[in-house]
Amino acid sequence: ETGVTQTPRHLVMGMTNKKSLKCEQHLGHNAMYWYKQSAKKPLELMFVYNFKEQTENNSVPSRFSPECPNSSHLFLHLHTLQPEDSALYLCASSQSVLANEQFFGPGTRLTVL
Amino acid sequence: AQTVTQSQPEMSVQEAETVTLSCTYDTSESDYYLFWYKQPPSRQMILVIRQEAYKQQNATENRFSVNFQKAAKSFSLKISDSQLGDAAMYFCAYRVTGAGSYQLTFGKGTKLSVIP
Repeated sequence: ETGVTQTPRHLVMGMTNKKSLKCEQHLGHNAMYWYKQSAKKPLELMFVYNFKEQTENNSVPSRFSPECPNSSHLFLHLHTLQPEDSALYLCASSQSVLANEQFFGPGTRLTVL
Repeated sequence: AQTVTQSQPEMSVQEAETVTLSCTYDTSESDYYLFWYKQPPSRQMILVIRQEAYKQQNATENRFSVNFQKAAKSFSLKISDSQLGDAAMYFCAYRVTGAGSYQLTFGKGTKLSVIP
């Protein structure tokens, strides 16, 4: 596979469930990002990782827990979510956090019942 | 705080015609980057074109060009000879240059429809 991949593409979960979103980049990049895309709102940056270290957390609730075991993989662990957390979650990567271009994955469409 | 405004939630264009998507931004910085990203219905967002604020010359990429007006803080995207594959959401984005400036600030997007 090439580029940035995300699994699953669709996820439906109850508010008491625990699930994880996975992102993998095959571009040799060192920075990875999680974004939330809600209808009629701008993309919201959630987390930034640079060389596996978290460098930014945009006041994201603790029910979202990121994990970056290496520069190629990024996870978003979900627990006790709320219906308003339903959105498209996009992963992106870039050569570094200062790079001019971010490469996006196809996203995971999350629905919280 | 930086903000990016796309005032056209939806636009349509006839195939082979030209369309311009508008974007304005608010910043106190003098050195920054501006981007247009395209998100087709399959959802994978891709970079269409970028502009460095210190460059006066407008960026072009094949059928895509920008009109960058730094004083007016305006960054519009022109698509020439529109094709069916151009139908997508288009997002304008901004990033300040320099260390510690990781965040891309996006507008809400413009949905472009191409009419055959």
